[in-house]
Amino acid sequence: GAVVSQHPSWVICKSGTSVKIECRSLDFQATTMFWYRQFPKQSLMLMATSNEGSKATYEQGVEKDKFLINHASLTLSTLTVTSAHPEDSSFYICSAREDRGRNTIYFGEGSWLTVV
Amino acid sequence: AQRVTQPEKLLSVFKGAPVELKCNYSYSGSPELFWYVQYSRQRLQLLLRHISRESIKGFTADLNKGETSFHLKKPFAQEEDSAMYYCALKVDSSYKLIFGSGTRLLVRP
Repeated sequence: GAVVSQHPSWVICKSGTSVKIECRSLDFQATTMFWYRQFPKQSLMLMATSNEGSKATYEQGVEKDKFLINHASLTLSTLTVTSAHPEDSSFYICSAREDRGRNTIYFGEGSWLTVV
Repeated sequence: AQRVTQPEKLLSVFKGAPVELKCNYSYSGSPELFWYVQYSRQRLQLLLRHISRESIKGFTADLNKGETSFHLKKPFAQEEDSAMYYCALKVDSSYKLIFGSGTRLLVRP
């Protein structure tokens, strides 16, 4: 079946630095991808909709300059957490909507970010 | 307001018992709802969607617009059903989903 891969699976970075997380659709094209954030024992909170070739659409309360999203190809979206702080530590999950077929959404395995 | 509510954080049943995981939604348009499952240490995966009216792994879910519910049911729970279950609502044509808080199902032997 279709696979969405995230990299890295986990990352530790120093406060004030930036970190990039990649989301790839391995065997299908995805014009639209989504980025979520999940705190421990809580649900997924949608951060933004990533659109290939255009600007991302951010949810209310999500800082655009803090969480930079780039969707330069039909198989890759990246989330860059800029000037990371400890409160940005979280589990980040991406999903991708398959362009063909039933519009099925496939999820990545998630990326753990710890800011120290 | 668009919202998905899963009132139970944890549901514990014995193997062979019936299971019902509750999901209620709030949405002004025509809803399209999904159930996703997350097994231990695995990624989220689609379990079923209401428009397909399918049964996956013995689970079914019926959309009740009058009660704004989309409860997930299985007549006889199995131990391998133990997982985190999320109800999700599609809120626009891009297939943006909003999720409920999730229910952990624990099926005891």
